[in-house]
Amino acid sequence: KAGVTQTPRYLIKTRGQQVTLSCSPISGHRSVSWYQQTPGQGLQFLFEYFSETQRNKGNFPGRFSGRQFSNSRSEMNVSTLELGDSALYLCASTLAGPSRGEQFFGPGTRLTVL
Amino acid sequence: QQQVKQSPQSLIVQKGGISIINCAYENTAFDYFPWYQQFPGKGPALLIAIRPDVSEKKEGRFTISFNKSAKQFSLHIMDSQPGDSATYFCAASMVGNSGYALNFGKGTSLLVTP
Repeated sequence: KAGVTQTPRYLIKTRGQQVTLSCSPISGHRSVSWYQQTPGQGLQFLFEYFSETQRNKGNFPGRFSGRQFSNSRSEMNVSTLELGDSALYLCASTLAGPSRGEQFFGPGTRLTVL
Repeated sequence: QQQVKQSPQSLIVQKGGISIINCAYENTAFDYFPWYQQFPGKGPALLIAIRPDVSEKKEGRFTISFNKSAKQFSLHIMDSQPGDSATYFCAASMVGNSGYALNFGKGTSLLVTP
């Protein structure tokens, strides 16, 4: 079974631009979560989508948003990019149900904001 | 506010030795405690996880010890190998329909010397 895939793998943007990242979960997984990883703050939860609805949201500004499609694929968008948004953005998928909690991560998208 | 505190920040162990990483949490509603292993350029990979109804779980060379009253849990890597050199993250999440958001520790960089 294919793992979680994320595109693109690397991205360079300038301040003020916006960016869209994509995540395809493991087949059959209905929950998709997004995390930001930086050297200073570590891994921080952004938001989770389940059945096309945002179920949970971390403590990030409204510039960070996401959505999930009917095939469980998810996108996250960051508008008005700031230098501090440079990070590795990780997507994780979960089967949901009795195996709750087991999150499988993709390789991430490395975003650099200049 | 860091909900999961992890120590040490870095660890050097000789091949064949035991690596021990500790985590502490505050929120007693947490009911799922996974450990992730991350190699450079890769997303975190689920290693082993425990729920609070057991005090220990072992999978191969990896063991989680869980102390509910002290709100602490630890990862033991027996017979550590150079291939175990990676960053390890503990995490915690809580029960309910609010989703699978993981609260991560800051990570431990493990180096196993030959």
